[in-house]
Formats: sequence, structure tokens, C-alpha cells
Amino acid sequence: QVQLQESGPGLVKPSETLSLTCTVSGGYINNYFWAWIRQSPGKGLESIGYIYYSGSTNYNPSLRRRVTMSVAASRNLLSLRLSSVTAADTAVYYCARATSFFDPVLETYRPDYFDYWGQGILVTVSS
Amino acid sequence: QSVLTQPPSVSAAPGQKVTISCSGSTSNIGNNYVSWYQQLPGTAPKLLIYDNNKRPSGIPDRFSGSKSGTSATLGITGLQTGDEADYYCGTWDNSLSVGRVFGGGTKLTVL
Repeated sequence: QVQLQESGPGLVKPSETLSLTCTVSGGYINNYFWAWIRQSPGKGLESIGYIYYSGSTNYNPSLRRRVTMSVAASRNLLSLRLSSVTAADTAVYYCARATSFFDPVLETYRPDYFDYWGQGILVTVSS
Repeated sequence: QSVLTQPPSVSAAPGQKVTISCSGSTSNIGNNYVSWYQQLPGTAPKLLIYDNNKRPSGIPDRFSGSKSGTSATLGITGLQTGDEADYYCGTWDNSLSVGRVFGGGTKLTVL
């Protein structure tokens, strides 16, 4: 059974960088997309972006200038960095696995549905 | 403002049936598969339906999905109190760089 576990500081100061790690167990990173999704308190789900096991990334345009995702396939680790955080970045952050779907129009693989999710980690931005 | 539109809330009595709608456009639902996620209070979302109408292993057949044009529907029959949760639809959007998008979520109350 695939399991994902987010880890990192639960409190980050404004203007600093949020850094989270997602450890994947019970499966391999290869051949899948891996997404970071967040949920502000009492709100819905927001896609931060995703990374393919090969390292190629796609970020939400609203966060693109501040986001960096990376993957260490040999260690089954994913990382998220979000710089210059503000109170608006306070949220539960989830990592999730997405199956690959070959899009005949784009002629490339892209993420399909999210079949495994981590339990999430609450990150509060406050001084 | 979510790309996909869901009703904020629905309710029904135990044992009854409820449907949750998810409305989009040709750039998302109209030309892509839809998935549904259940988020029980205080927990992470869980895949409920994928590829419009398929259920992952372990999901009871009380849950069903369908799609028509630019809208999708989640159906739940034989409602149980344990079904009280937030439900989200999701899909790919061809016109947005973000790719994967979600609905705003629907809170199901089992009266």
C-alpha cells in the first residue's frame, strides 16, 4: 500500500521560505506525477503544481514565481519550497500521487486523477 | 472563484439518495475525465470516482459518477451518517497552465 507523509515546520515567519518534504513509501516515484495541493482553513482545494518523476514541473501561475518543486527518486522524496510567504499561505499542504495519462492532443503525458494522498501538514505563517 | 462549480451544500436523510453536480466548460469537463474526492472532517481527501464513473477498489457501489457534456454528477445512494463530508470534483483544464483544477466543494449533511 502506497503511503505519503508530509513533514516540515508547522510555523513559518512572513517573508521567509516554506519548505516541506513528502516521503513516499510502499511504492516508487517512477512513472507517476506528484502534486502539491493546499487547503486554506475552511476553504477548498488549490493545486500548487506537480512534478513528473523525471523532474519536469508545472506550477500554478498564481504561485509560479515563488514555487520550486523537486524530486529525489532514489530516496523516494519530494520537496516543495514556497518563498516570500504571507498569511495568505497559511494552509494544510498535501502531497498526492497522480496517475499518468497520455494526452493525444498535447502529445505528452500529463497527470490524471489523484489516487493517493498524504495526511497533510498544517503550515501557519505568523510572526 | 473555482473553475468548476459545485453547490455549497446538499442534505438528505439516512437511506435516501443524493446527487452533487459539478459544472464546467468545454476546456475542462467537456473534454476530459472527471474524478471525485471525499474529505471526511479533519482528514485528507480520498479518491472516490475516477475517469467519470469508475470506482477504486474498496469504494462501495453506493457511490456512482456520470458525465454529460460539460457537467458531471456524483450520486450517493443509501445515505449513511458516515457519508457526511465535503465532496470535490476535479479534472484537467486545457486552457489553464495550472492543469488540474477542482470544484469549490460540496458539504453533504445527512439529516
